[in-house]
Amino acid sequence: AQSVAQPEDQVNVAEGNPLTVKCTYSVSGNPYLFWYVQYPNRGLQFLLKYITGDNLVKGSYGFEAEFNKSQTSFHLKKPSALVSDSALYFCAVRDKPGGGADGLTFGKGTHLIIQP
Amino acid sequence: GAVVSQHPSRVICKSGTSVKIECRSLDFQATTMFWYRQFPKQSLMLMATSNEGSKATYEQGVEKDKFLINHASLTLSTLTVTSAHPEDSSFYICSASSPGRNTEAFFGQGTRLTVV
Repeated sequence: AQSVAQPEDQVNVAEGNPLTVKCTYSVSGNPYLFWYVQYPNRGLQFLLKYITGDNLVKGSYGFEAEFNKSQTSFHLKKPSALVSDSALYFCAVRDKPGGGADGLTFGKGTHLIIQP
Repeated sequence: GAVVSQHPSRVICKSGTSVKIECRSLDFQATTMFWYRQFPKQSLMLMATSNEGSKATYEQGVEKDKFLINHASLTLSTLTVTSAHPEDSSFYICSASSPGRNTEAFFGQGTRLTVV
């Protein structure tokens, strides 16, 4: 079984400051990790993924995430937050690379609020 | 990235009626599609995996007779909520995956179902 934990329901950051949204995971095999963002009443938009290779992954809209195998973490980061980054962020994991028959397991989501 | 279109975006129906939600992959062939349900302020829960040309695989606790899934072509999967009740009110999201594509899943815009 696989699981994802997002320990914070909400993260508040002032505009221009760096932000971090935390994610830890549990999976029996190799982890394939994803971050998605959701705006109100909308589907999910893909931000970035870790499949293999460099632990620091760069994605859309200036976001990046660092895969840490020893801590089983995949925290989402951005050096300078924008008000438009305010949304609901989901971390997700699967134990297969994808393109196959296995759905993602999602964390409960973290509301990111960027204050002007 | 690839486009997944979900229709309708919002639907209100009377208790006891059935509602069909469509999920289309617009620019790729999706051999596998996934249906998720999202309750307010909660994460996405995988309901079922829809495989083109075969029966859907339902997650534990999901009533297959209530949530009918049909994946008749490589670009279309439908979810029919039969004899809907107010407790079926939720946000339903589909995603599509296909071998050979990038490993991230592509999500539809979601459907807000309200049963009155």
